[in-house]
Amino acid sequence: KQEVTQIPAALSVPEGENLVLNCSFTDSAIYNLQWFRQDPGKGLTSLLLIQSSQREQTSGRLNASLDKSSGRSTLYIAASQPGDSATYLCPFPLAGGTSYGKLTFGQGTILTVHP
Amino acid sequence: GAGVSQSPRYKVAKRGQDVALRCDPISGHVSLFWYQQALGQGPEFLTYFQNEAQLDKSGLPSDRFFAERPEGSVSTLKIQRTQQEDSAVYLCASSPGYVRSNEQFFGPGTRLTVL
Repeated sequence: KQEVTQIPAALSVPEGENLVLNCSFTDSAIYNLQWFRQDPGKGLTSLLLIQSSQREQTSGRLNASLDKSSGRSTLYIAASQPGDSATYLCPFPLAGGTSYGKLTFGQGTILTVHP
Repeated sequence: GAGVSQSPRYKVAKRGQDVALRCDPISGHVSLFWYQQALGQGPEFLTYFQNEAQLDKSGLPSDRFFAERPEGSVSTLKIQRTQQEDSAVYLCASSPGYVRSNEQFFGPGTRLTVL
């Protein structure tokens, strides 16, 4: 069974720091990777989608990279702000016989950025 | 354009009651997913529809759970004879196609509390 590990489980930093969130998978046969954030009591907001042919994707202060050979992904957040406080999730899209990309989630990284 | 919407946002049920949760996907999206998220955990896959066809229901925890999408748009997740362990947030997601490369868009979720 595919498992997703996110490190650290929780992170509390002062505003302005550059951050690194890590995600690893027990199966390196990754097709694509979508990073999400979840605010308390809310649904999931898509941040970045790294397609199978890509190694990284950037959006504003966010940069996500994917290393298929090692089964790892990293999300960089530059110049963190209090509004970045949320839980960050990097689910693995189940491969194998299914082609439609149902997602397997880990527990996420809980990020708190304080002023 | 509107995103994925879900209703009700909150539902309190007495143990043994039946509940119905609604999902309105983004217009034209072929794929629709249901996930269950327990407190402090990542979402877990329940079931998948491609248009009106339910292609995967492997994540439904018991035969008390039933989902339908009769016209290939709106979907309803029904839970019969609710139990306390059914308390969770139920998330719906849709994506435009039916391949793994498609980005998934999540709704705000329905928080179900069973007393």
